[in-house]
Amino acid sequence: DAGVTQSPTHLIKTRGQQVTLRCSPKSGHDTVSWYQQALGQGPQFIFQYYEEEERQRGNFPDRFSGHQFPNYSSELNVNALLLGDSALYLCASSFHREQQSRYEQYFGPGTRLTVT
Amino acid sequence: ILNVEQSPQSLHVQEGDSTNFTCSFPSSNFYALHWYRWETAKSPEALFVMTLNGDEKKKGRISATLNTKEGYSYLYIKGSQPEDSATYLCASAGNNRKLIWGLGTSLAVNP
Repeated sequence: DAGVTQSPTHLIKTRGQQVTLRCSPKSGHDTVSWYQQALGQGPQFIFQYYEEEERQRGNFPDRFSGHQFPNYSSELNVNALLLGDSALYLCASSFHREQQSRYEQYFGPGTRLTVT
Repeated sequence: ILNVEQSPQSLHVQEGDSTNFTCSFPSSNFYALHWYRWETAKSPEALFVMTLNGDEKKKGRISATLNTKEGYSYLYIKGSQPEDSATYLCASAGNNRKLIWGLGTSLAVNP
């Protein structure tokens, strides 16, 4: 049973470019959340997708967008990259329930994005 | 408290020592409290999800308590081992169901 997978593992981009990160949830999970962890910080919630729609969003600008596919996998897109976007991007999956945050999330290994 | 705060920021203990650290969170509109362990080069792994005031949970040598009225949770590790070395993260959800994460406590257990 594959856990949460993310690709790529590392990525280097330059300012102004666009990037797409990918996540496949754990088998049986239908909800995907994305987090950004900058150096020395805790994970910051970006947004959550369920049934191919963004259900919740954290305090991130519109440059951060996402998508969920019918197979529950998800993409995180960041446009007009800034140096401050350099971080580890984590994807977490779970099974949707009304009381979703009362259940544990399963995290992927993350994608390390460096913006130069 | 408006954010989730963890203390201490880092901790060094000897193998066999017992240790504990704290997670403070907004007590109003509390919904759930999560603890995760994050080892270097691995994914964060869920330890506990707690929802009720006075809750105590245990997994092996690790246990956690929850006080929702005063807004804190303690994580205890009994007889620390080198493999316990990791960053321990807590996250709290309020009525909006969004998890707010602390910065973590980095634990190093010296053999």
